[in-house]
Amino acid sequence: KAGVTQTPRYLIKTRGQQVTLSCSPISGHRSVSWYQQTPGQGLQFLFEYFSETQRNKGNFPGRFSGRQFSNSRSEMNVSTLELGDSALYLCASSLASFQEPNTEAFFGQGTRLTVV
Amino acid sequence: QKEVEQNSGPLSVPEGAIASLNCTYSDRGSQSFFWYRQYSGKSPELIMSIYSNGDKEDGRFTAQLNKASQYVSLLIRDSQPSDSATYLCAVKGYSTLTFGKGTMLLVSP
Repeated sequence: KAGVTQTPRYLIKTRGQQVTLSCSPISGHRSVSWYQQTPGQGLQFLFEYFSETQRNKGNFPGRFSGRQFSNSRSEMNVSTLELGDSALYLCASSLASFQEPNTEAFFGQGTRLTVV
Repeated sequence: QKEVEQNSGPLSVPEGAIASLNCTYSDRGSQSFFWYRQYSGKSPELIMSIYSNGDKEDGRFTAQLNKASQYVSLLIRDSQPSDSATYLCAVKGYSTLTFGKGTMLLVSP
């Protein structure tokens, strides 16, 4: 059974540009959540999508957005990139929404974004 | 603000010893608790989940939960150098999964 797949694995972008990251969840999983990981802040929740609907959103500016498609694949977009957006972006796949109890989340390999 | 606190470490233990990793959380309504292992440069890997008070054992790993004290721990028996990694505690409330910043574990041969 294939795991969570994130593409691309590495990205270098210039300040002011925008970027789109992709996440394909485990087959049968309908929830995809996104996290930003930096050495100083740890793993910070960006948003969760379930059945193409955003269920929850973390405390990030509106430059960060996402969507989910009918096949449960999800994309995350960051517009007007800033140097501070350099981080490892992780997506996690779950069978059910985070609103359901005992929901386990499995991570993809992540996308390492560097903003120069 | 829901918080999950972990000692950043590093926690150093010799090979074969028991490593004890601790985590406290602030949200009394939290329902589910998880431990992830993250090797340097890699993504987090789920190693244990626990949902009710008490102990849960899986191989060399034992997770312990005390909801009254808002405390979760992970014991690793017979620690191996390959266990050297950062261990992340994650707590699920109603609709969010909140992570601690992790404890770095170093197991010396």
